[in-house]
Amino acid sequence: AQTVTQSQPEMSVQEAETVTLSCTYDTSESNYYLFWYKQPPSRQMILVIRQEAYKQQNATENRFSVNFQKAAKSFSLKISDSQLGDTAMYFCAFIDNNNDMRFGAGTRLTVKP
Amino acid sequence: ETGVTQSPTHLIKTRGQQVTLRCSSQSGHNTVSWYQQALGQGPQFIFQYYREEENGRGNFPPRFSGLQFPNYSSELNVNALELDDSALYLCASSLETSGRDTQYFGPGTRLTVL
Repeated sequence: AQTVTQSQPEMSVQEAETVTLSCTYDTSESNYYLFWYKQPPSRQMILVIRQEAYKQQNATENRFSVNFQKAAKSFSLKISDSQLGDTAMYFCAFIDNNNDMRFGAGTRLTVKP
Repeated sequence: ETGVTQSPTHLIKTRGQQVTLRCSSQSGHNTVSWYQQALGQGPQFIFQYYREEENGRGNFPPRFSGLQFPNYSSELNVNALELDDSALYLCASSLETSGRDTQYFGPGTRLTVL
């Protein structure tokens, strides 16, 4: 069964600095998709970035980038120039062709002024 | 473009009752997935509906059931509510059923079972 592990329950970073959130997953499939979602307090889940497993190039969205290591089954999220609005729960998620999206337990990120 | 909406926002029920939660998918999306998010945890997949048919189910008992309508809106029904059903229920819509299609989430319905 596919599992997603986020080993950092909480992290904090100073405004304008860089932080990396870790995620590992387990699957026997070769074709799948990985996502990072952000869930601000009491607000809805928002897609931050996505990565197709068949693409070797790491995805980038403005200040957000990933380090996708397929062999190691690792998918970390780097947030550059952290902003106060980045404070949220961050969930790593995995989906293959079974339509069953699996989420990690989340990392609570606090950006400090 | 209208995003995913859910109703009601909050709901309080007692053990043994039944509840119906509603979700309107984003314009043009024909696939709706439902998730249960217990406090302090990541969402867990309940089931997915694609063009009015169930298209995958997670590890939830049969008292969790759903419907999808011709306009692709969806309902989640939970019978015989238990205390552990207290959670945030999220629905997400996507353009198609393939894993490559990003799921867009609604704001959720917070269900409290007393």
